[in-house]
Amino acid sequence: GENVEQHPSTLSVQEGDSAVIKCTYSDSASNYFPWYKQELGKRPQLIIDIRSNVGEKKDQRIAVTLNKTAKHFSLHITETQPEDSAVYFCAASNNAGNMLTFGGGTRLMVKP
Amino acid sequence: EPEVTQTPSHQVTQMGQEVILRCVPISNHLYFYWYRQILGQKVEFLVSFYNNEISEKSEIFDDQFSVERPDGSNFTLKIRSTKLEDSAMYFCASRESGANVLTFGAGSRLTVL
Repeated sequence: GENVEQHPSTLSVQEGDSAVIKCTYSDSASNYFPWYKQELGKRPQLIIDIRSNVGEKKDQRIAVTLNKTAKHFSLHITETQPEDSAVYFCAASNNAGNMLTFGGGTRLMVKP
Repeated sequence: EPEVTQTPSHQVTQMGQEVILRCVPISNHLYFYWYRQILGQKVEFLVSFYNNEISEKSEIFDDQFSVERPDGSNFTLKIRSTKLEDSAMYFCASRESGANVLTFGAGSRLTVL
């Protein structure tokens, strides 16, 4: 089955700096890679996703890159703000399967 | 914006008791899921459900677990005889046909004593 590894497990940045979170996956059949943000005690919320037919996707301060050959994908947050502080999860799935396999999560702390 | 709703928000039960967690998926969604998250850990897939049957399940989803769609709106997760290690947040999710995006509910926190 799919295995998703996520690094780092914690990340502390100053407000205004950039944050980068990296994930690797094992199943070459995976073709859908969402990123979820989870605030303390809340549900995971989708912030951006990418499909395997593109290498990069951007939405305002958030971008995701995908390297299919190396089987890794990354989340980039620019101009970080204190409200970006949360746990971020990457995930992977394929069209045939229904399940998302999540990474271990990254606790991002943005210091004002 | 349509939401996935879950009840109860928090349930405390004794070990060995049966628990039923309820979910109302988004009305036009056809694929339903249960995930769980042990405190401080990653979100783990339990089961997916489509067309009134299980389409995939993980190793966690053993004989103690079952799912049901008893009517046109509810989707339930039953744990027959709870264990201490079943303590977790259980998230229901749904998606519409042809889409990858999962919408999660707010979760049901299960505490087994």
